Amino acid sequence: NAGVTQTPKFRVLKTGQSMTLLCAQDMNHEYMYWYRQDPGMGLRLIHYSVGEGTTAKGEVPDGYNVSRLKKQNFLLGLESAAPSQTSVYFCASSLRRSVADTQYFGPGTRLTVL
Amino acid sequence: RKEVEQDPGPFNVPEGATVAFNCTYSNSASQSFFWYRQDCRKEPKLLMSVYSSGNEDGRFTAQLNRASQYISLLIRDSKLSDSATYLCVGQTYSGAGSYQLTFGKGTKLSVIP
Repeated sequence: NAGVTQTPKFRVLKTGQSMTLLCAQDMNHEYMYWYRQDPGMGLRLIHYSVGEGTTAKGEVPDGYNVSRLKKQNFLLGLESAAPSQTSVYFCASSLRRSVADTQYFGPGTRLTVL
Repeated sequence: RKEVEQDPGPFNVPEGATVAFNCTYSNSASQSFFWYRQDCRKEPKLLMSVYSSGNEDGRFTAQLNRASQYISLLIRDSKLSDSATYLCVGQTYSGAGSYQLTFGKGTKLSVIP
């Protein structure tokens, strides 16, 4: 049981390049989330999904797209990377998005955009 | 204004000391609160939920004061392994049966031998 995994762990992009971050969970969780964490900031929600085939915007969605084609996978895409998207990206999942439901985080992807 | 605010620290305490962190929140509609722990360059992990009646888990005690809109975390008999950043988290209903977590920036604790 691996929990939540993220691929890749590190990546360096040039401005304007595109990439996709992959999140996978093996806990049969309904809900999945993408956050970014920047120095001096709390984690901020980018997008989330309440089930296969559904996605919704979070607090900071601009510049990102997501897809949830399979229940266990949640993809985060950057179509045209910008230096402002340099950050640590965390994926999380929860059984359901209800009160007091624990979110389990992946190990993170460290992205640098030059 | 950030909805969840914490003193960033760092708190440097000797082993065996008792240390307390406070966190304030501005959204009175927030329904649930949590403390997460985040080790350096690692992912956040749930430490404990916070209830109005107060709850204890070993050396850790959490308390919620809704009237004053603050949450506290008390760590007794600090261990070197307690060194981490502690994130205060509020959960608010965001409609359509779903809830959103709002994270504080975290309080850094260093326990010194």
